[in-house]
Order: sequence, then structure tokens, then C-alpha cells
Amino acid sequence: AQKITQTQPGMFVQEKEAVTLDCTYDTSDPSYGLFWYKQPSSGEMIFLIYQGSYDQQNATEGRYSLNFQKARKSANLVISASQLGDSAMYFCAMREYDYKLSFGAGTTVTVRA
Amino acid sequence: DTGVSQDPRHKITKRGQNVTFRCDPISEHNRLYWYRQTLGQGPEFLTYFQNEAQLEKSRLLSDRFSAERPKGSFSTLEIQRTEQGDSAMYLCASSFLTSGSGTGELFFGEGSRLTVL
Repeated sequence: AQKITQTQPGMFVQEKEAVTLDCTYDTSDPSYGLFWYKQPSSGEMIFLIYQGSYDQQNATEGRYSLNFQKARKSANLVISASQLGDSAMYFCAMREYDYKLSFGAGTTVTVRA
Repeated sequence: DTGVSQDPRHKITKRGQNVTFRCDPISEHNRLYWYRQTLGQGPEFLTYFQNEAQLEKSRLLSDRFSAERPKGSFSTLEIQRTEQGDSAMYLCASSFLTSGSGTGELFFGEGSRLTVL
């Protein structure tokens, strides 16, 4: 079974607007972590934001925030004030007890000027 | 530069040839991971090491694939008798864990792209 599901293959967003990328996950482990990575066309994976399963507050890092809804098993990424440089592939990933990450299929974001 | 480095960045080979990729992790990191990524997909886990011990191998890793991490430093991933289906980006990542604590964030290299003709 898929551990991470990203249902949006591609999204377009206007510059300076916000965009929400969906991510749902499946685990029976009570202790887990959720990550978002950005992969530009150059190929490197860039860490954006982390949410632990026991964290009470939603994580924020600059223009990135994670909307964590534990009961619904969702961890959506919100990018505010989109910039042209945000155009990339975005991956949601989950860490379980063994500390390896399982990735979703990704969402391509294209920011329009 | 003290990040994760991978070599070569690009490799084109003919079907049936052997290829080897090298990964140098961040020096103090005790965990090293190999992932494979095909076009338009997310990275798929292949194997990982804690220090020099290989702790898990995915079922994706056929007998033609072997990975080593001698002395717990750099790692190599060898693919024998390459097939066209092996064409992909091979990503290496490292992390530092103590006593099972920490976020588990992976630091990735830029990847080694393999094309099998």
C-alpha cells in the first residue's frame, strides 16, 4: 500500500499568490515525521519543512507552512507569496520507526508571472 | 563544500555493461541511503547503511545491484549487466542519528543519472 499519496500531478499558480499542495499518509506507527522537499529542474532535493507526529503546532519556515491534520492523516504544504523560483517538483515524505523516508509521487508547481 | 557528493553525475552505458556510482556523505553522518528516481516519479528506497553495516535492502534491489560502505565512510553502488530499465537517477543521502532521536532529515547529493542504451 502507498504510504504517501500526492493527488495533484501539476499545479499552476500566479506569482505572489498562495498555493496548497496536498499530501496524505498512512502509518500505524505512533511516532513518525513528515517532510516536504523541493526538487528544481537541476535535480537536487532541497529540504523545506518538517512536522513531527507529536508536535502540537503546525510547522512554519519562512514562506512555507505545513497544515498538519493528524486525525485525517494529512500534511499539506502551503507556499505563500509564490515566486518564479518556486517552480519545481515538490515531494511529501514520511519517516517511520526505521528512519528511512518514503516519498510520494510529487506535485509539479509552475509559477506564472 | 561539505555537502553530499556523488560521482559521476552522468553515465551513459551500453546494455550488459557494469557501472559503479560513488557517494561521499557529510563527514559526521552515520547513516547513508541510496534511492532511485525515474522521470516524473518520487525517489524509491533501495538500501541504507548505518556506519558500515547494510541494514536493509529493498526488493527493488535485484541481485545485479550491490552496495558497500567500507569503513563507514563513502559508499559505492554497483549495477552489473545493466538493462534499459535501470535508466534512472540514483540519489544518495545521508543523515546523523543518535539513539534513534532526531528528525531524520536526509541531506541529498545531486544524483547520478544513468542512461542505458
